[in-house]
Amino acid sequence: DAGITQSPRHKVTETGTPVTLRCHQTENHRYMYWYRQDPGHGLRLIHYSYGVKDTDKGEVSDGYSVSRSKTEDFLLTLESATSSQTSVYFCAISDWRTDRGEKLFFGSGTQLSVL
Amino acid sequence: KNEVEQSPQNLTAQEGEFITINCSYSVGISALHWLQQHPGGGIVSLFMLSSGKKKHGRLIATINIQEKHSSLHITASHPRDSAVYICAVNSWDDKIIFGKGTRLHILP
Repeated sequence: DAGITQSPRHKVTETGTPVTLRCHQTENHRYMYWYRQDPGHGLRLIHYSYGVKDTDKGEVSDGYSVSRSKTEDFLLTLESATSSQTSVYFCAISDWRTDRGEKLFFGSGTQLSVL
Repeated sequence: KNEVEQSPQNLTAQEGEFITINCSYSVGISALHWLQQHPGGGIVSLFMLSSGKKKHGRLIATINIQEKHSSLHITASHPRDSAVYICAVNSWDDKIIFGKGTRLHILP
C-alpha cells in the first residue's frame, strides 16, 4: 500500500469553527489533491498541489484553503465550517514520471460532520 | 455537461456474467484511471491507461484516444466485484477529473 495517511478519520464540529485536515505521504510524490465525495456528485476537486508552495483551485474551492510547506504534507483548512461542508474528504497523491507512480493513490478518507 | 461521463449509473447482474462499464470524456488527457470503491471503503486504483489495453486477472481496461472512450470489462463476475467503479482522467493542466461512478451489484 502507498504511504498516504489522512487525519483525523472522523471529525464532528460546529458551524463557524475552523477545521484543518491533514494528508501525509511518505512516497515523495509531486502531486497531491483534496477531494470531497457527496451522494449524487461523485468526487469533486477542492484544491491540488503540484509542488511545495504550488497550489491551485479545483471546482469547489470556495470556503477552503490549502497549504503545502513540505512535500509530504498537504493541509486542507475550512476557515469557518458550514453545514454544506459536511462530507467525506479524500486526499490523493500521484507522480507522473515514467519511472514511478503508475497509479493514483488515495487516503482512507475523513468523515466530517458540521452541526 | 460533465467532462467525464460514465454509463450505466447502476448495473445489477448475475454471478458469472460479463460486465462492461463505459467512460467517455470531452477534455484532452494524458492518462485515464479506473478506480474501485467498496461500500464504506477506500478507493483503490485498478488501472492507469494512456493507450491500448491492460489486463489484470478478470479485469480488462481499454481506451480509444481518438474516440475519447474507455471501457472496463469484468469477466466471470462474482459478488465480491460489487462496488462502485469510477473513471477519472488526467487533464493537461494537471487536474484529475472524475466521473460520478457506476454502482455494480452482482447477485449470487
